[in-house]
Amino acid sequence: DAGVTQSPTHLIKTRGQQVTLRCSPKSGHDTVSWYQQALGQGPQFIFQYYEEEERQRGNFPDRFSGHQFPNYSSELNVNALLLGDSALYLCASSLKGFEQYFGPGTRLTVT
Amino acid sequence: GEDVEQSLFLSVREGDSSVINCTYTDSSSTYLYWYKQEPGAGLQLLTYIFSNMDMKQDQRLTVLLNKKDKHLSLRIADTQTGDSAIYFCAELGYGGATNKLIFGTGTLLAVQP
Repeated sequence: DAGVTQSPTHLIKTRGQQVTLRCSPKSGHDTVSWYQQALGQGPQFIFQYYEEEERQRGNFPDRFSGHQFPNYSSELNVNALLLGDSALYLCASSLKGFEQYFGPGTRLTVT
Repeated sequence: GEDVEQSLFLSVREGDSSVINCTYTDSSSTYLYWYKQEPGAGLQLLTYIFSNMDMKQDQRLTVLLNKKDKHLSLRIADTQTGDSAIYFCAELGYGGATNKLIFGTGTLLAVQP
């Protein structure tokens, strides 16, 4: 049984560009949550998707948007990248949001 | 408000017990979690405890919850060098659509051989 997978593993972008990160949940899971982890910090909640809708959002600007597909996979989009967006982006999948299992993350570097 | 606090660093010798502590502020939290993160990796769910429990044991791991003091601890028995990592506690909000995890800043556990 594959766990949570994320792609790409690493990404380097320039300020002002846009980026799309992808996540496939564990088999049987229906909820995907996205977190941003800056260096030396704990993960911060970005938003959560369930039944293809954004169910809850953390304290992140509208530059951060997402989508969930009918197969429960999800994308995180970030527009107009800033240097401060450099971080590890983690996807977590769960059944209705309780036991959240994390993927390996995507390391985004903005130069 | 939402805030989870942990001490930053703990050093133990191999074979000793490790105790990692955490305090949280949201008294309505239903579940409390412990995650492990090794360098360059994602978070591994170690264990969790429901808020109506005081203790949960899972092999070498023991979780203690003091709801009155909003204090959570993780005890690792017979600590091994492979346990060296950052440990995060996290709380889950109560009810409705509030299923976001609120993490502490993490405790770096260093196990000396």
